Amino acid sequence: GAGVSQSPRYKVAKRGQDVALRCDPISGHVSLFWYQQALGQGPEFLTYFQNEAQLDKSGLPSDRFFAERPEGSVSTLKIQRTQQEDSAVYLCASSLVPSSQETQYFGPGTRLLVL
Amino acid sequence: RKEVEQDPGPFNVPEGATVAFNCTYSNSASQSFFWYRQDCRKEPKLLMSVYSSGNEDGRFTAQLNRASQYISLLIRDSKLSDSATYLCVVTRYSSASKIIFGSGTRLSIRP
Repeated sequence: GAGVSQSPRYKVAKRGQDVALRCDPISGHVSLFWYQQALGQGPEFLTYFQNEAQLDKSGLPSDRFFAERPEGSVSTLKIQRTQQEDSAVYLCASSLVPSSQETQYFGPGTRLLVL
Repeated sequence: RKEVEQDPGPFNVPEGATVAFNCTYSNSASQSFFWYRQDCRKEPKLLMSVYSSGNEDGRFTAQLNRASQYISLLIRDSKLSDSATYLCVVTRYSSASKIIFGSGTRLSIRP
């Protein structure tokens, strides 16, 4: 079946521009995660949804970052007034149920470059 | 100090060799442990979960040492296709934010 998909795969933004990154999780997956991965680093947690509820947003680096999942399926991560330090790969992952033992399935990521 | 630490490598070993990585974690309340594999410019994929009793999947063996707060991954008879970055993941599910990835260990297998 279809895995997690993300769009766009690549995004180049000018500093100060707003961007929106989309994640389509595996159908029926309750949990959805967003991560930021800088070059040479592991993914860093940004935010977590259980269905449409954003249960944890403690990893969002600033109030310029906003995420939503209004119908409990597709999610959008929005970054306002992008800065160069926002350049990274943004990964979305989903899992079937909210359990620490549950496998997370990652999308291919959106590679964001802010000039 | 990071909550989850890994030797970044790179480990460069010949095909057929046995290689082992360790990952240390600082929070004793950590509950679940995993190894993920990430190929260059690809997304992470689960390699295996790590159980207290240790577990094996083919050429791969994972072990957990709660007393010393580390997990290990052993790869036997390494193949060229094992070349990747191996990410250690530690979770404590009081909240989803406690899913911590290490920075990864790069492994390169040479013919």
